Amino acid sequence: QQPVQSPQAVILREGEDAVINCSSSKALYSVHWYRQKHGEAPVFLMILLKGGEQKGHDKISASFNEKKQQSSLYLTASQLSYSGTYFCGTEMGGATNKLIFGTGTLLAVQP
Amino acid sequence: GAGVSQTPSNKVTEKGKYVELRCDPISGHTALYWYRQSLGQGPEFLIYFQGTGAADDSGLPNDRFFAVRPEGSVSTLKIQRTERGDSAVYLCASSGGSGAGYTFGSGTRLTVV
Repeated sequence: QQPVQSPQAVILREGEDAVINCSSSKALYSVHWYRQKHGEAPVFLMILLKGGEQKGHDKISASFNEKKQQSSLYLTASQLSYSGTYFCGTEMGGATNKLIFGTGTLLAVQP
Repeated sequence: GAGVSQTPSNKVTEKGKYVELRCDPISGHTALYWYRQSLGQGPEFLIYFQGTGAADDSGLPNDRFFAVRPEGSVSTLKIQRTERGDSAVYLCASSGGSGAGYTFGSGTRLTVV
């Protein structure tokens, strides 16, 4: 039931781009993306709702393909501040809007 | 408050003891969640409150774990007869509802020795 993320880890140089994928075996109502820095709480980035929308702010955007039960997070022109572990959180809808978090992707941006 | 507040930030307890972890969510957020996170893992769902009631407690590992939210704001996670395997960071989050992101607290690091 836990969404699977790929890659598990990625190392970038500043200014490079990255894509993080999140795949679920269950039909999804929404997908959230969070970034967690070491020793800190996860921080909300964005939410994508059923309907196949794409969202973005600054140089971070995401897409949601509900038919494939997949979401992707796109980081362009990466900055040092992008370093951290990225988690997708999937919601199946219904009576509860609890999130099930993915396996995580460790992103390290180097100067 | 401005953010989600969790106390204590750290708790060391002996095996077999009882502990309480407190969460004060963002004012007005009716949805409150408890998760726990082990090193290198994603947050693992424990329980979800909508208002005062537990809407989904399917993530509580066993009957040693219990949570309350008597007035629909502050919540307390209670763990009886703690075991070393309970050691983790316990995260609380609140949300404005379906379609809104979660705001997490800084967590309580529980260590059972």
